Amino acid sequence: DVKVTQSSRYLVKRTGEKVFLECVQDMDHENMFWYRQDPGLGLRLIYFSYDVKMKEKGDIPEGYSVSREKKERFSLILESASTNQTSMYLCASSETGPAVSTDTQYFGPGTRLTVL
Amino acid sequence: GDSVTQMEGPVTLSEEAFLTINCTYTATGYPSLFWYVQYPGEGLQLLLKATKADDKGSNKGFEATYRKETTSFHLEKGSVQVSDSAVYFCALVVATGFQKLVFGTGTRLLVSP
Repeated sequence: DVKVTQSSRYLVKRTGEKVFLECVQDMDHENMFWYRQDPGLGLRLIYFSYDVKMKEKGDIPEGYSVSREKKERFSLILESASTNQTSMYLCASSETGPAVSTDTQYFGPGTRLTVL
Repeated sequence: GDSVTQMEGPVTLSEEAFLTINCTYTATGYPSLFWYVQYPGEGLQLLLKATKADDKGSNKGFEATYRKETTSFHLEKGSVQVSDSAVYFCALVVATGFQKLVFGTGTRLLVSP
């Protein structure tokens, strides 16, 4: 079974802190994604990566950055956390290259981040 | 741009009732369509998918048919169980450029014994 793990289930940080959310997948997947999930808004894509050291902005990249130094690991960074970044953050991965539109994305359990 | 519209929840049903969750989409190309499910405390997992018009996706008793003429992908199940209580997300990917999933807002299903 594909396994996508996220470093924390719950996280509480203060405004202005630098926050790291880590995601690891164990199936040698090419693509990895970060979403945030908010009530009434569904899931929105923050960043994605289709290869090591490659990254692309999603729909809501402002206030976030990412890092992918190894294929299995994709980190989301909040440079200076703000209260409007309080949310559920979901990481996902998928197997093949960028052109396959039918590929399944596998999700981690999520990190619920609260910024005070 | 591409978008997905789902019926608002929660949908509250008794066990063994028939379920329909409506989903319609707007897309510039020819999308593939998905239903993902999120059980309490978990991440999303793929429930079913359909990649072209008139395809029917099915899994665990759930079905959805890709209707190009009505731009719809409604989720149905003939007899729901308490264990089906979850949030259901309709999503699409357009087969041009990167495989970016576009999600609906989700519909919470509550099934009581």
